Amino acid sequence: DGGITQSPKYLFRKEGQNVTLSCEQNLNHDAMYWYRQDPGQGLRLIYYSQIVNDFQKGDIAEGYSVSREKKESFPLTVTSAQKNPTAFYLCASSMGGRSNEQFFGPGTRLTVL
Amino acid sequence: DAKTTQPNSMESNEEEPVHLPCNHSTISGTDYIHWYRQLPSQGPEYVIHGLTSNVNNRMASLAIAEDRKSSTLILHRATLRDAAVYYCILRDSSNAGNMLTFGGGTRLMVKP
Repeated sequence: DGGITQSPKYLFRKEGQNVTLSCEQNLNHDAMYWYRQDPGQGLRLIYYSQIVNDFQKGDIAEGYSVSREKKESFPLTVTSAQKNPTAFYLCASSMGGRSNEQFFGPGTRLTVL
Repeated sequence: DAKTTQPNSMESNEEEPVHLPCNHSTISGTDYIHWYRQLPSQGPEYVIHGLTSNVNNRMASLAIAEDRKSSTLILHRATLRDAAVYYCILRDSSNAGNMLTFGGGTRLMVKP
């Protein structure tokens, strides 16, 4: 089945630790995105990548880092510099260009203790 | 990006039609109107999009006002599985990054 996978579904970390969230897609999509969602709120864009080895900051990139070494993978690292990292993180992909639809993964719920 | 305004919540009875409104008075000529929905604890899923003409697909219909300053997502027969947050989003066709800017959306509750 084609789709986007995110792992793990739930993640707990201690304050001050970096943590990397996984996002993999087998849709052969060029573009990938990371969003953050806080309770009762809409999604906010953290980073996006339109092509391998290139990525751009979104609206709330501070305290996060990404890499795009392979087309199918776009991991997100939540660093200790992120002041309030507890949130629901969603990865998405699209064909890129002027394509109309973004496909979302199931999300990772990160809790920092 | 142009902003959209949606009611915070709406209620519907099962098997009745639902009309979800969206105002976008500052829409530009190159903005597409997109709708996504998010079921509890899941990622959003695409519902429908349009530019000027009304659109239909297997999930819903999109009615766009003639002046494009508002639109309505129509679920023809609501089911319990349609209970979700519905987001109305404008996407500039010149936006090469295809980023989506999500507002608060409308929480649809469906009563049996």
